[in-house]
Amino acid sequence: AAGVIQSPRHLIKEKRETATLKCYPIPRHDTVYWYQQGPGQDPQFLISFYEKMQSDKGSIPDRFSAQQFSDYHSELNMSSLELGDSALYFCASSWGREALSGELFFGEGSRLTVL
Amino acid sequence: SQQGEEDPQALSIQEGENATMNCSYKTSINNLQWYRQNSGRGLVHLILIRSNEREKHSGRLRVTLDTSKKSSSLLITASRAADTASYFCAPGGQGGKLIFGQGTELSVKP
Repeated sequence: AAGVIQSPRHLIKEKRETATLKCYPIPRHDTVYWYQQGPGQDPQFLISFYEKMQSDKGSIPDRFSAQQFSDYHSELNMSSLELGDSALYFCASSWGREALSGELFFGEGSRLTVL
Repeated sequence: SQQGEEDPQALSIQEGENATMNCSYKTSINNLQWYRQNSGRGLVHLILIRSNEREKHSGRLRVTLDTSKKSSSLLITASRAADTASYFCAPGGQGGKLIFGQGTELSVKP
């Protein structure tokens, strides 16, 4: 079965550079969630989208922005990168109705390293 | 959504033993989910128990939910080395996002 696809899987950037992560949800899933997991930390919710509109916002820095496109894929844009942005970034998807009480399907994550 | 608190933070057992981890939360929920995360990998959904259920089984997993105590437990029976992972509980309320705690790090030694 198709899973959540994230790209790139690994990314190395310098401080103050910009990075873009992409997420392709499971077909027919209309909701996307972004999480950030620092080394040894729990996954922190960043932001979510439902039907291409932002549905919830967590601890996402102002330097980060995200959107969901007409084909339901999502992109997380990170600017002015800092060393502390080094983390695993997970995308998860769900079907809108089930999002109220259903499971999230996670991708394998994109590992961002900021040097 | 609210964050669950897993206990213990770390658990080390021998293969074949049972592993029990607990989760507590603060406010009423619609359901509670358990996820597993292998090191450096994505989270994998294990089981969902609804607020009107008291116990649920899935293979070697048994989950209980006590809404009066606002707590849940995950039991893994006959553990295997492959069960070594971090386990997170996620109380579900209104809205789809899940908030994860620090998890229980389970180590199963061969």
